[in-house]
Amino acid sequence: GNSVTQMEGPVTLSEEAFLTINCTYTATGYPSLFWYVQYPGEGLQLLLKATKADDKGSNKGFEATYRKETTSFHLEKGSVQVSDSAVYFCALSGGAGGTSYGKLTFGQGTILTVHP
Amino acid sequence: KAGVTQTPRYLIKTRGQQVTLSCSPISGHRSVSWYQQTPGQGLQFLFEYFSETQRNKGNFPGRFSGRQFSNSRSEMNVSTLELGDSALYLCASSTGQVYTDTQYFGPGTRLTVL
Repeated sequence: GNSVTQMEGPVTLSEEAFLTINCTYTATGYPSLFWYVQYPGEGLQLLLKATKADDKGSNKGFEATYRKETTSFHLEKGSVQVSDSAVYFCALSGGAGGTSYGKLTFGQGTILTVHP
Repeated sequence: KAGVTQTPRYLIKTRGQQVTLSCSPISGHRSVSWYQQTPGQGLQFLFEYFSETQRNKGNFPGRFSGRQFSNSRSEMNVSTLELGDSALYLCASSTGQVYTDTQYFGPGTRLTVL
């Protein structure tokens, strides 16, 4: 079945530092890939997505490129802010045909803390 | 456009009781998916409904059930509550037209079982 593996956390950075959160996946076919962010006490917000190989998703300074050859979708941001402190989830959908409707498979989440 | 709404936001129940959670999707969305989020197991898929039919189901016991109404609103029911059912329950909506659709999440219902 599908699976998603995220880098072990938590991650602690100083403001304006460079961020990378690694994400690799296992899936058959051609899944779509997502990054969601969860702030304390809230649900998940879509951060960015990519639906085919070599697509780059971007939003609010965050970027991730769908790399089929390395089955990866690493999240990057050039300069983090205190307000970026949250939990980040990598997820995929599809990749297994008709058994995948409505189902996102998530990584374990990475807690990011940014200090001033 | 209004987002996904979930009610109630917080619930406290005791073991053995049952509970019903509600989810209203984004207008025009016909698919509703449910997830359980716990510190130990992370985010796990419960089931998905599309046009009042369950189209996909995760690996949860039969105590977890759901339904969807003609206006796409969905409810999730958990019977005979156990302590381990304490979790944040999230619903998400999408158009449901393709299995790689983007899902948009509600704020969740925090269930505590005592």
